[in-house]
Amino acid sequence: DSGVTQTPKHLITATGQRVTLRCSPRSGDLSVYWYQQSLDQGLQFLIQYYNGEERAKGNILERFSAQQFPDLHSELNLSSLELGDSALYFCASSRTDGFFGPLHFGNGTRLTVT
Amino acid sequence: GESVGLHLPTLSVQEGDNSIINCAYSNSASDYFIWYKQESGKGPQFIIDIRSNMDKRQGQRVTVLLNKTVKHLSLQIAATQPGDSAVYFCAEISDSSYKLIFGSGTRLLVRP
Repeated sequence: DSGVTQTPKHLITATGQRVTLRCSPRSGDLSVYWYQQSLDQGLQFLIQYYNGEERAKGNILERFSAQQFPDLHSELNLSSLELGDSALYFCASSRTDGFFGPLHFGNGTRLTVT
Repeated sequence: GESVGLHLPTLSVQEGDNSIINCAYSNSASDYFIWYKQESGKGPQFIIDIRSNMDKRQGQRVTVLLNKTVKHLSLQIAATQPGDSAVYFCAEISDSSYKLIFGSGTRLLVRP
């Protein structure tokens, strides 16, 4: 068990809808990262937060947004969902900004858009 | 994009043999490298890491080798076990980007 908790485990929704994925990092970790894993892609970096502030951005669509709250949990909001957004969404956390130690991943949220 | 398409190469090994999984990384400025194992239905699990000032690091049954000259990373698993069957990813990060970028992955199948 990595100590990173993601909810929900599964999410099925329709095109055009909006969903929120939640992540609780490991105790003491200040950084949270979001990754997307589709069938035809590897693990694609979306965005990183460090102690409540956005630190790095990857290929995150404008329809997607994230935030990290004062208690360090994070939410990833996906709106105007399309079929192609169906994927596994992973959250990871690390003690600092990621460079000085490995990221620890949760078991993901599987999103299915129908 | 920052990830490579998932056309997974597969390595099939006999239980008890040693496995070597290779990875070519893209950024010569990368400072830190990590190997992850991903089992079906689970998130990537940290195996071992190495910094760019090292060329070898050993863990329990695993060794990572780094060749910066040719931008190559390898993961050696000794006495491979059925529980080692999974997809293995290398990942790299540079101190200027803060982004951990994953390689395309290799599927390891262990034959009993």
